[in-house]
Amino acid sequence: AQSVTQLDSQVPVFEEAPVELRCNYSSSVSVYLFWYVQYPNQGLQLLLKYLSGSTLVKGINGFEAEFNKSQTSFHLRKPSVHISDTAEYFCAVSDRGSGGGADGLTFGKGTHLIIQP
Amino acid sequence: DAGVIQSPRHEVTEMGQEVTLRCKPISGHNSLFWYRQTMMRGLELLIYFNNNVPIDDSGMPEDRFSAKMPNASFSTLKIQPSEPRDSAVYFCASSIAGSYNEQFFGPGTRLTVL
Repeated sequence: AQSVTQLDSQVPVFEEAPVELRCNYSSSVSVYLFWYVQYPNQGLQLLLKYLSGSTLVKGINGFEAEFNKSQTSFHLRKPSVHISDTAEYFCAVSDRGSGGGADGLTFGKGTHLIIQP
Repeated sequence: DAGVIQSPRHEVTEMGQEVTLRCKPISGHNSLFWYRQTMMRGLELLIYFNNNVPIDDSGMPEDRFSAKMPNASFSTLKIQPSEPRDSAVYFCASSIAGSYNEQFFGPGTRLTVL
């Protein structure tokens, strides 16, 4: 069984300030890791993913995340946020399975990023 | 290319009625997922299909819920009878098996059961 913990339900940040959204996971097997973003009244959009290799992953909209196996964490960061980054952010994991085969995602509860002018 | 298409976008129904949600995955994708999003429980996987075959339905909450995928381009999620606690946003997602689970989500169906 897997679980994902997003430690902060809300993170208020001033525009142009840096931000870090925290994500920890628990799994008995190796996992793939994802961050998705959900804008109001929309579906989820993939920000970035960690499959293997370099532990620092870069995604869209200037976001990046770092995989830390020893701490079972996958925190999301952005050096300077914009008002348009206001959204709900979800961390998710899935089993590596076999050969990248499809498997369902286990999501965290989400972090609402609030950008203050 | 069109993304994942879901219909209807909004559904309001009365308790006891049958509800059918529809999903058209991205062409060429052979895995399809149904998720439910509520304030209390967040995003939960209900069921997923690989090559039209249900693989894991352990997330389906009760026998009132059923899902089908009669072909590669269409899936339905049915609730019969519906109850107020089924009110949620239901998302469909699709992916290519072997693409390391990069799932593409539809816009969701907001279901309200009165």
